[in-house]
Amino acid sequence: DSGVTQTPKHLITATGQRVTLRCSPRSGDLSVYWYQQSLDQGLQFLIQYYNGEERAKGNILERFSAQQFPDLHSELNLSSLELGDSALYFCASAFTAGGTEAFFGQGTRLTVV
Amino acid sequence: ILNVEQSPQSLHVQEGDSTNFTCSFPSSNFYALHWYRWETAKSPEALFVMTLNGDEKKKGRISATLNTKEGYSYLYIKGSQPEDSATYLCAFKNSGYALNFGKGTSLLVTP
Repeated sequence: DSGVTQTPKHLITATGQRVTLRCSPRSGDLSVYWYQQSLDQGLQFLIQYYNGEERAKGNILERFSAQQFPDLHSELNLSSLELGDSALYFCASAFTAGGTEAFFGQGTRLTVV
Repeated sequence: ILNVEQSPQSLHVQEGDSTNFTCSFPSSNFYALHWYRWETAKSPEALFVMTLNGDEKKKGRISATLNTKEGYSYLYIKGSQPEDSATYLCAFKNSGYALNFGKGTSLLVTP
């Protein structure tokens, strides 16, 4: 158990809908990363927050947004969902912004039908 | 988006063989290089984080080296065991703080 909690574990929703994925980092970790893993693709970096502020942004679609709250948990919001958004979404937490290992949650499997 | 290349894409070795993989990354604005082990149906697990040129890290039979000037890192597994079968990912972090992963090397160790 990495100490990073992601909910829900599985999500099935229809095209056009909006969902929210939640990540609780390990106790004491200030940094949260979000990644998308689609079929046959590697881990695609979406966005990183550090202590409540956006720190780095990857290829995150405009339909997607994220935030990190004062208690350091983070949410990834996906809207106007398309079939191609079906993927495994991971969050990872780390104590610092980059020089320490990141601990991954179990992921949320999103299926858009 | 920074290009992180890993080779080979996959590797099949016999139990007891030693093996190594390569991770190539941009050599400018280096901040850190991470290695992770990812077993099927689990989440990636950190092996090493290296930040200094010439760093060498070791954990049991697994070790890694780092050359930031030429932009590569090697991961070595000595005396591979079936339980080492997994995908090995490297991730590069530059001063912009994005942690970008390569596509990984898939290792299969057969008895």
